Amino acid sequence: GQNIDQPTEMTATEGAIVQINCTYQTSGFNGLFWYQQHAGEAPTFLSYNVLDGLEEKGRFSSFLSRSKGYSYLLLKELQMKDSASYLCAVRENTNAGKSTFGDGTTLTVKP
Amino acid sequence: GAVVSQHPSRVICKSGTSVKIECRSLDFQATTMFWYRQFPKQSLMLMATSNEGSKATYEQGVEKDKFLINHASLTLSTLTVTSAHPEDSSFYICSARDLSASPLHFGNGTRLTVT
Repeated sequence: GQNIDQPTEMTATEGAIVQINCTYQTSGFNGLFWYQQHAGEAPTFLSYNVLDGLEEKGRFSSFLSRSKGYSYLLLKELQMKDSASYLCAVRENTNAGKSTFGDGTTLTVKP
Repeated sequence: GAVVSQHPSRVICKSGTSVKIECRSLDFQATTMFWYRQFPKQSLMLMATSNEGSKATYEQGVEKDKFLINHASLTLSTLTVTSAHPEDSSFYICSARDLSASPLHFGNGTRLTVT
């Protein structure tokens, strides 16, 4: 099975940088995903890591260390619209490849 | 990009009735779709894995006779909540992948309210 931990809430200032951490314990790993979810809406894909290292996509970057069971999502130049819940999800190394989600980190961006 | 359409977006029903939710992959074929449920301020909980042409695989604690899943084609999976009760009120979301290594693409979700 999977066990995923991430902080419940974070607050940051517009224009700043924030790092959201995620640790996981898994019996079979086939990738770690970050999704953004605004209240009342479905999640949208942000970033994906399957190998160790940093993946950069514009203002968003994600890092993975498989040996440490650790990932983070880095958001730069924060905007008010970045206020949302950020979900860390680990995909199993099985045919079905189902994903287990962490409880999410609610980020509040303040002016 | 891959698009998943989910319908209806919102439904209110009376206790004891059944509700069907449809999930379609619009521009790709999905042999596997996933159904999640999300209660307020909580994360997504996987209910079941829907497999085209075969029975769904349910997660522990999810009643297969209450949450009927049918994956009749490579682009359509349906979830039927049978004999709904107020505690079934939740946000139901389906998802699918177009390629085995790609991220999940989510439908817009269905907010079910049982009165």
